[in-house]
Amino acid sequence: EAGVTQSPTHLIKTRGQQATLRCSPISGHTSVYWYQQALGLGLQFLLWYDEGEERNRGNFPPRFSGRQFPNYSSELNVNALELEDSALYLCASSTNRGEQYFGPGTRLTVT
Amino acid sequence: AQKITQTQPGMFVQEKEAVTLDCTYDTSDPSYGLFWYKQPSSGEMIFLIYQGSYDQQNATEGRYSLNFQKARKSANLVISASQLGDSAMYFCAMSYMNYGGSQGNLIFGKGTKLSVKP
Repeated sequence: EAGVTQSPTHLIKTRGQQATLRCSPISGHTSVYWYQQALGLGLQFLLWYDEGEERNRGNFPPRFSGRQFPNYSSELNVNALELEDSALYLCASSTNRGEQYFGPGTRLTVT
Repeated sequence: AQKITQTQPGMFVQEKEAVTLDCTYDTSDPSYGLFWYKQPSSGEMIFLIYQGSYDQQNATEGRYSLNFQKARKSANLVISASQLGDSAMYFCAMSYMNYGGSQGNLIFGKGTKLSVKP
C-alpha cells in the first residue's frame, strides 16, 4: 500500500511570492492534515480537510489556505511569502480511528 | 485547551537497554487519543503507537509500549531493547475524539531527542 506522498520535496521561493504544496493521502483515507515544523517552534497544526471541506484551522494568517479535491488529494497555498514561512511542511492522512500517517514533507525555503 | 508536555529535551540510552520517554497531557475532554511519533533526521514522521482514552489496557506495538496513567494524565513511551536505529526525535501528541470515534488534528509536544549509545 502506497503511503502519503508530497511534492515537491524542496521548494525555494523569494519573499512575496506564492508557494503551492501538494499531498496525496493513503488510498481510502478521506482526511488530510497539514502541519508546519519550523525551527524552534515545533510542529504546529495548519489545516484539516475531510470530504472536501475545511474542518479546522490552526492559528495561522489567511495567506495560508488550501483545498481538498474530489480524489481526496490536497493542496496548501502560501501567499505573500515571508522569511519566517521557511519550514518543513508535513501532510498526514488518517484512519477512522484517527491514526495519522505522515508524508515525507516539503521543505520550503524563503529567501 | 489541550496541551502536551515533554520535559526531557534529550536522553541517552545504552544499546539493548530499555528507555522511558515522558509525556503528560492536559485536556478537559473525556474522549481523546494519545499518539507517539518518531522523527529521524530525514524528517519523516513515523507513527509508533496509539492509546484511546477509554482503552482499558496499555497499548503495545512490538518493542514499543505506552504506559497510560489516566488519573495522572501521563502517557509515557517505553522502548525495550534499544537499537542504534532508535536514535531520533520522539513526539507525543494528542487529539480529541468525537462521538463517532474519528479524531481531529493533533497537538504535539516539543519532543525528546533520544540518542542510543553503542
